[in-house]
Amino acid sequence: ILNVEQSPQSLHVQEGDSTNFTCSFPSSNFYALHWYRWETAKSPEALFVMTLNGDEKKKGRISATLNTKEGYSYLYIKGSQPEDSATYLCAFRDSGAGSYQLTFGKGTKLSVIP
Amino acid sequence: DAGVTQSPTHLIKTRGQQVTLRCSPKSGHDTVSWYQQALGQGPQFIFQYYEEEERQRGNFPDRFSGHQFPNYSSELNVNALWLGDSALYLCASSFSLGLAGVEDTQYFGPGTRLTVL
Repeated sequence: ILNVEQSPQSLHVQEGDSTNFTCSFPSSNFYALHWYRWETAKSPEALFVMTLNGDEKKKGRISATLNTKEGYSYLYIKGSQPEDSATYLCAFRDSGAGSYQLTFGKGTKLSVIP
Repeated sequence: DAGVTQSPTHLIKTRGQQVTLRCSPKSGHDTVSWYQQALGQGPQFIFQYYEEEERQRGNFPDRFSGHQFPNYSSELNVNALWLGDSALYLCASSFSLGLAGVEDTQYFGPGTRLTVL
């Protein structure tokens, strides 16, 4: 059973603060790491798909890094805004033959206080 | 461009009943995956359909079955419902490029909330 851990479980920050959270995944048999943002009552929104060790991706004020050798990814939000309030999920895909499933963490719930 | 759609939005059933959930993929996508999200958990993979065949199955009992139609839409069927099946069921679609080292983005629908009483 693959184990994907996210920390912290929840986070409250003031508007304008920068923040980051962690996704830990198995360091062997890595294929891809996905990040999603999920606002209440909406569909999860794909943020990044990362496949290479050392990958850095950026979308506006949000960026992510990937370390496959040690099995972690960081998501950074610069200058948090109330609209960033959401649950951020990461999902791991392993490289096993015939393996297509995403294994999700439980998410980090971010609340940005105006 | 319509995204992934799911129906119904909410559903209430009683123990022992059967349920069918439906998913229409994003335009141009040929692969559909289903996930179950129980309270306080991340989404759990149920199965994936590609070319009308179940390509991979997660750790779910045979009571969970699915189907993919020629237009790539998909159904999830759950038989003999029990209380523990109460959850949000998510459908995700993607386009399978089939290229080594290339990962397909999965796009999610809003989910169907199933309550079993």
